[in-house]
Amino acid sequence: GAVVSQHPSWVICKSGTSVKIECRSLDFQATTMFWYRQFPKQSLMLMATSNEGSKATYEQGVEKDKFLINHASLTLSTLTVTSAHPEDSSFYICSATPWQGRYEQYFGPGTRLTVT
Amino acid sequence: GENVEQHPSTLSVQEGDSAVIKCTYSDSASNYFPWYKQELGKGPQLIIDIRSNVGEKKDQRIAVTLNKTAKHFSLHITETQPEDSAVYFCAASITGGTSYGKLTFGQGTILTVHP
Repeated sequence: GAVVSQHPSWVICKSGTSVKIECRSLDFQATTMFWYRQFPKQSLMLMATSNEGSKATYEQGVEKDKFLINHASLTLSTLTVTSAHPEDSSFYICSATPWQGRYEQYFGPGTRLTVT
Repeated sequence: GENVEQHPSTLSVQEGDSAVIKCTYSDSASNYFPWYKQELGKGPQLIIDIRSNVGEKKDQRIAVTLNKTAKHFSLHITETQPEDSAVYFCAASITGGTSYGKLTFGQGTILTVHP
């Protein structure tokens, strides 16, 4: 149990375009989902916390107008990278916390974004 | 905010040996400490976790210990196998309240188990 999927697993886009990444909890309802960014050989950096039905909370230094997060249901959150630039190229990973006050975070497999 | 320091950054052991990775945290309010294993190109996988009301937890070859007073916790892997080779991350969080349990990660440890 506690499976989280992401789609797509990798994407290449041109500079200036937008890219949407989906994060789904497959066998549980997730009250809270998190979005992370990871550069090569580095740790995970939290970008934002997403609660179903409310606006995401962004970490300091993360541009909310550039990284749009929508948590439309208890099983789906999306991250849209708007007007992507090469410096946005990274590994984006989501995680989800199960319902009913549990605190474990289960991570998706990640999405490799390359902006050319 | 919370700060988590993880050591060592790299660890090389022979198959069958034990491996120990240590983390310290700064916020005494942190009460949940998970460990994740990340293989190349994949998302982190939760391997074990411990809450602040417990000093030690074991799951087969993996164990975690927590010293709240000293604010440090450790991952112990016994009888290591080549498939244990990966990057291991510790993390800390404050569960409940408005933090929603967001995790602060350590820098990671690259574990290599030589056959």
